[in-house]
Amino acid sequence: NAGVTQTPKFQVLKTGQSMTLQCAQDMNHNSMYWYRQDPGMGLRLIYYSASEGTTDKGEVPNGYNVSRLNKREFSLRLESAAPSQTSVYFCASSEAGGSPRFGSGTRLTVV
Amino acid sequence: GDSVTQMEGPVTLSEEAFLTINCTYTATGYPSLFWYVQYPGEGLQLLLKATKADDKGSNKGFEATYRKETTSFHLEKGSVQVSDSAVYFCALSDRRGGATNKLIFGTGTLLAVQP
Repeated sequence: NAGVTQTPKFQVLKTGQSMTLQCAQDMNHNSMYWYRQDPGMGLRLIYYSASEGTTDKGEVPNGYNVSRLNKREFSLRLESAAPSQTSVYFCASSEAGGSPRFGSGTRLTVV
Repeated sequence: GDSVTQMEGPVTLSEEAFLTINCTYTATGYPSLFWYVQYPGEGLQLLLKATKADDKGSNKGFEATYRKETTSFHLEKGSVQVSDSAVYFCALSDRRGGATNKLIFGTGTLLAVQP
């Protein structure tokens, strides 16, 4: 049981480049989430998806887009990366009312 | 809006010492409360949770009690080990999200246990 799988684990981008962070879960969870983790700020919610076909903004959505491709997969896209998006990104999923389970993260550096 | 405040770290303890990491929250309604742990280079793992007032969550020797009167959820362990060295996050869930369980996190507390 792999849980939540994120790819890539590390990425370096130049300012203005685009990329997509991939996330997949094998637990048949309906809800999926993207968070970013910054020093001294804990984790903040970027976007979430309550179910296949729906997405909603979280606390810090600016500069990001998401796609809930199917029940398993929830991707996060940076269209034009900025140094302020240097962070560690975590995907998570949960069943209805359940505790979110997290992936191992993607460490992104924008230079 | 809802928020979580937890004690700043780092917290440095000797092995077998008693641990307390303070966590207080502000929320409308009745949130669920969580402690997550992050070991170096890894993602977050659920350590324990409590869903209503006076509930006690426990796991691996760690405990926390949901105190509505003091809006607190302090994490405790009677005897820490070197392997407990990690970052600990307190969080609450925004139940107004319906079936989703969006979490609001504290800033995290780094625990370093020395042999």
